[in-house]
Amino acid sequence: KQEVTQIPAALSVPEGENLVLNCSFTDSAIYNLQWFRQDPGKGLTSLLLIQSSQREQTSGRLNASLDKSSGRSTLYIAASQPGDSATYLCAVKGGSYIPTFGRGTSLIVHP
Amino acid sequence: DAGVIQSPRHEVTEMGQEVTLRCKPISGHNSLFWYRQTMMRGLELLIYFNNNVPIDDSGMPEDRFSAKMPNASFSTLKIQPSEPRDSAVYFCASTLGRQSSTDTQYFGPGTRLTVL
Repeated sequence: KQEVTQIPAALSVPEGENLVLNCSFTDSAIYNLQWFRQDPGKGLTSLLLIQSSQREQTSGRLNASLDKSSGRSTLYIAASQPGDSATYLCAVKGGSYIPTFGRGTSLIVHP
Repeated sequence: DAGVIQSPRHEVTEMGQEVTLRCKPISGHNSLFWYRQTMMRGLELLIYFNNNVPIDDSGMPEDRFSAKMPNASFSTLKIQPSEPRDSAVYFCASTLGRQSSTDTQYFGPGTRLTVL
């Protein structure tokens, strides 16, 4: 059974810092890995999707990397802003096509 | 498209009452997922439909929970009778349903359920 772990569970940083969120998974036979953002009281919004054949994806200040062999993904946020404050979840889709979610990293970027 | 639509957004009920949550997936999407999110357990998959047929309901906690998808544009999650431990945020998500590595989930805003 796939297990997804996200470290750290919570992070508080000053505005402007570059930061890295980590996601690890136990079964490397995946189709894709997706990073989501969840604002308080809201649903999840997809940020980046990395296919199993890809190593990374970029969108604006966000860069996600994937290392299937080691079962790891990182989400890099450059020049963080208070508006980046949210919970970030990663989800791994394997052979069942059903995503397995991590518990998320709660990020606070303070001015 | 309006995205995934869920109703109600908030529901407060008393223990023992029946609760029905509703979801309208994105038009053209063939797969629909119901999730429950709590602080203790995170995001849990309850049930997954493909082309209106339940494919995996192993996450449904017990017989008090039931889900239906009578057509491609509507699904319900029913709890009868409800208990305080059912209090959570329930999300519905849909995807195109193509079993490909680029298929993306789109989530609704959720229904916050409180059972007193």
